[in-house]
Amino acid sequence: NAGVTQTPKFRILKIGQSMTLQCAQDMNHNYMYWYRQDPGMGLKLIYYSVGAGITDKGEVPNGYNVSRSTTEDFPLRLELAAPSQTSVYFCASRAGDTQYFGPGTRLTVL
Amino acid sequence: GQQVMQIPQYQHVQEGEDFTTYCNSSTTLSNIQWYKQRPGGHPVFLIQLVKSGEVKKQKRLTFQFGEAKKNSSLHITATQTTDVGTYFCAANSGGGADGLTFGKGTHLIIQP
Repeated sequence: NAGVTQTPKFRILKIGQSMTLQCAQDMNHNYMYWYRQDPGMGLKLIYYSVGAGITDKGEVPNGYNVSRSTTEDFPLRLELAAPSQTSVYFCASRAGDTQYFGPGTRLTVL
Repeated sequence: GQQVMQIPQYQHVQEGEDFTTYCNSSTTLSNIQWYKQRPGGHPVFLIQLVKSGEVKKQKRLTFQFGEAKKNSSLHITATQTTDVGTYFCAANSGGGADGLTFGKGTHLIIQP
C-alpha cells in the first residue's frame, strides 16, 4: 500500500490565485482529514470527512473547500489564495484510533 | 474549543540524558494521543492513552495519562540522536469524526 499520498509537494501561489491540493489513500479508510501546520506550531483541523459524499468543517475552514466523491480521494480547494494561507498542509486518514498522515504540501502565497 | 497546552516548547539535551514533555488540558479528555514529527517530515502516531492513570512503555519511551485525565507526559530515557524531532500530544476535538486538537509540540534538540 502507498498509504496516504499528497500532491504537489511544493507550490508557490500569487495572491488571489486558486489551486487544489490532492490527497489520496489506498487503505479504504472512511475517515479523512485536512490539517494545516504553521511554522513552529501544532496542526489545526481544516475539514474532515466521514465517508464519500459527507464533509464537515473543522477549526479553521475559512478560505477552503473540500469534496469527497470517492472513498480514496479528498481534495482541498483554495479559491482566493491569501498570504495567511502560507503553511504546510497535511492530509490524514484514520483506521481505529490511529491517524495516518501524508507527506504534506508546502504552500507559499506571495 | 478544546485546547491542549504543551511544555516546554524547546528542550536541548546532551545525548544520553533523559527528556520529558508535558501536556495539559483544562477539561477532562476522553483520550490522548502522542505523535512524533521528524524535521521536514509528517506526524507519525506513537500511542494512544485512554484510561485514568494509564502508563504505557515503548522501549525507552514512557507515556502517562493523569488520574484526572487532564494531563499526560512523554518521557524518553537516555536520548539518542534518532529521537530528534517534535513531539505532539493531541486530543479528540469532540466532533463525531474525532478530528484532533494538537498541542504546539516540544522540539527536542540533542547535542552529541
